[in-house]
Amino acid sequence: QSVLTQPPSMSGAPGQTVTISCTGSSSNIGAGYAVHWYQRLPGTAPKLLIYGNTNRPSGVPGRFSASKSGTSASLAITGLQAEDEADYYCQSYDGSLSSWLFGGGTKLTVL
Amino acid sequence: QVQLQESGPGLVKPSQTLSLTCTVSGGSFSSGGYYWNWIRHHPGKGLEWIGYIYFRGSAYYNPSLKSRVTISMDTSGSQFSLRLSSVTAADTAVYFCARSRSGAMFYYYGVDVWGQGTTVVVSS
Repeated sequence: QSVLTQPPSMSGAPGQTVTISCTGSSSNIGAGYAVHWYQRLPGTAPKLLIYGNTNRPSGVPGRFSASKSGTSASLAITGLQAEDEADYYCQSYDGSLSSWLFGGGTKLTVL
Repeated sequence: QVQLQESGPGLVKPSQTLSLTCTVSGGSFSSGGYYWNWIRHHPGKGLEWIGYIYFRGSAYYNPSLKSRVTISMDTSGSQFSLRLSSVTAADTAVYFCARSRSGAMFYYYGVDVWGQGTTVVVSS
């Protein structure tokens, strides 16, 4: 069981906005460690989507944004497109475990 | 730009040792600045960080796997390896090698370069 909790699945119609949550604890997200988000298309390696809570690497569309508050973080995808159908994972560091943690992943379906 | 490629057996028998190698091209980890990671993805489950190594040879492991894991680097500065002992079916996964930033703010940056992944099945 992942220490970072994500909803297993979400869905949305093209053009809509979906928000994926990631809930941690006081030893990881709540301790101030940054949250990162990854997109994994079927059969491919994860791709860094957001780093440092809110930053997009070069080449990531502005439709992807993220935020963090307290012990939780969220990834928002606006103007949903068919190509956004993928698995999304959050990641943070846990100071008590001295270990990187990943969320269990959220499967996004574009209706 | 840096590219990573995993290699190794796709099938390992229970109780044996899983061994994988990651070849780094387009750059070298002996120049510092990065951690070189192993991460795995269990079928139907989330990602799991296994550990990383720094160019000076220091390695850090997931506490849940620490007793069975060794990550090492070769002296050429172009490959690093994973050894996972006493494997069971629970170690069946896609294994990725990947790069992340090192330094005091290492946690601020994510994993920015990934290999394509290699599937390892533990079965007799």
